[in-house]
Amino acid sequence: QVQLVESGGGVVQPGRSLRLSCVASGFTFSSYTMHWVRQAPGKGLEWVAVISYDGSNKYYADSVKGRFTISRDNSKNTLYLQMNSLRAEDTAVYYCARGAYYDILTGYYRGWYFDLWGRGTLVSVSS
Amino acid sequence: SYELTQPPSVSVSPGQTASITCSGDKLGDIYAYWYQQKPGQSPVLVIYQDSKRPSGIPERFSGSSSGNTATLTISGTQAMDEADYYCQAWDSSTAVFGGGTKLTVL
Repeated sequence: QVQLVESGGGVVQPGRSLRLSCVASGFTFSSYTMHWVRQAPGKGLEWVAVISYDGSNKYYADSVKGRFTISRDNSKNTLYLQMNSLRAEDTAVYYCARGAYYDILTGYYRGWYFDLWGRGTLVSVSS
Repeated sequence: SYELTQPPSVSVSPGQTASITCSGDKLGDIYAYWYQQKPGQSPVLVIYQDSKRPSGIPERFSGSSSGNTATLTISGTQAMDEADYYCQAWDSSTAVFGGGTKLTVL
């Protein structure tokens, strides 16, 4: 079954850290870029970070740059988001999402969209 | 930073056509993507590369883009189409979402 399952959310005090995980199954995880997208309660979607298929390239939203780190372990089919110095405004449901497919034969990416989403994990930053 | 602007809400009667716009600087020069999100659910891709439908998305969903505006059109809108819709584009290697449009079918 093709799916993404996030975990690691919870209630955390401001300034503390939390690590989210996303386990992929049913597809070749190591061939896809992966993203984190978040949604604050009652608000819209906000893209957070992306990591290339092999982990060599990472990009972040300005709102989390320097505080969050995206990483992956292709041997475990797992995506991570290390969140440090958490703030109240980081409170949100965090989704992992599958991005572009890297065709190793051509060296090109294709499918620059989010075609598979997890169910999300809630992070609540509160004292 | 790049911004995408959507109307907060759109209303449509069942069976009629709903149009949701997304505006951004020279948006017609880059691809737009559309996602549907129903309450309590994860987003679902409904349109990619301006006008293409993923497998499993009904034909009543269509998209277009020109100038500074991309448009999601739902023909013969059904009650099940009531949801939040988000446009999305790429600004270099970062993704940008519009603020979302709540589609009400009444």
